[in-house]
Amino acid sequence: QKEVEQNSGPLSVPEGAIASLNCTYSDRGSQSFFWYRQYSGKSPELIMSIYSNGDKEDGRFTAQLNKASQYVSLLIRDSQPSDSATYLCAVNRGGNKLTFGTGTQLKVEL
Amino acid sequence: DVKVTQSSRYLVKRTGEKVFLECVQDMDHENMFWYRQDPGLGLRLIYFSYDVKMKEKGDIPEGYSVSREKKERFSLILESASTNQTSMYLCASSHLKGQEGGYTFGSGTRLTVV
Repeated sequence: QKEVEQNSGPLSVPEGAIASLNCTYSDRGSQSFFWYRQYSGKSPELIMSIYSNGDKEDGRFTAQLNKASQYVSLLIRDSQPSDSATYLCAVNRGGNKLTFGTGTQLKVEL
Repeated sequence: DVKVTQSSRYLVKRTGEKVFLECVQDMDHENMFWYRQDPGLGLRLIYFSYDVKMKEKGDIPEGYSVSREKKERFSLILESASTNQTSMYLCASSHLKGQEGGYTFGSGTRLTVV
C-alpha cells in the first residue's frame, strides 16, 4: 500500500462547477496535511494546509480532513480554467518530512 | 515572499561526471530538502537538513550526497552521474523544525544525463 494515494485522473469538470480531489494516507499517526498545485513544467506551490478534523476554507478552496478514515480532500468551488493543474496531496510523516501522492490532474473545461 | 532559488533550470551532463545542484533560500529557514520528481513516482525525498552542517538521508540517498555549509545554502551532489538520475530535482525549505509547516519549492532543475 502506498503511503499517500491519489487518483491520477484526469478529473474533468466544467467551468463554474465544484472540483473534488481526494487523498488517502496509511500512517494513522500523521498530524498535518497539505495540498499543492503544480502547473505543467512548474514547481509545486502550497495552496492549503490542514491539521484538525473538519473543514478549512480559504477563498474558493476548502480542505477537509477525517483522521479516523485517513482521508483528506480538497474542494475547489467555481472552478476556472486557470485551476487546471496537477494537485498533490502531502502528509507530514514527522520531522517536517513530507510524503507526496503522485497527484491528480484536474482539467476545467470551458 | 519566501524565495528559494535553484541555480540552473536545465542541465545536461555526461555519465560519470560529478554534478552540483545549488539551492539558496532567503528567509532564514532551518529546514531544507532535496526531492526528485519522476512521472508515475511522484516526489521522492533524497536528503534533508535541519541545520548548518547537519544532513540526513531521505528515502533514496544512493548515488547522492549533500552539503550545508551555510544556513541559506543546500547543495546536492551527484558523485558520478548515471542515466537513471535523469530527473527533475526540486529543492524546498520550511520553517519550524519539529512543527507543522508547508514547504516552499524552488523552480526546479531538470537534469539530463547522457
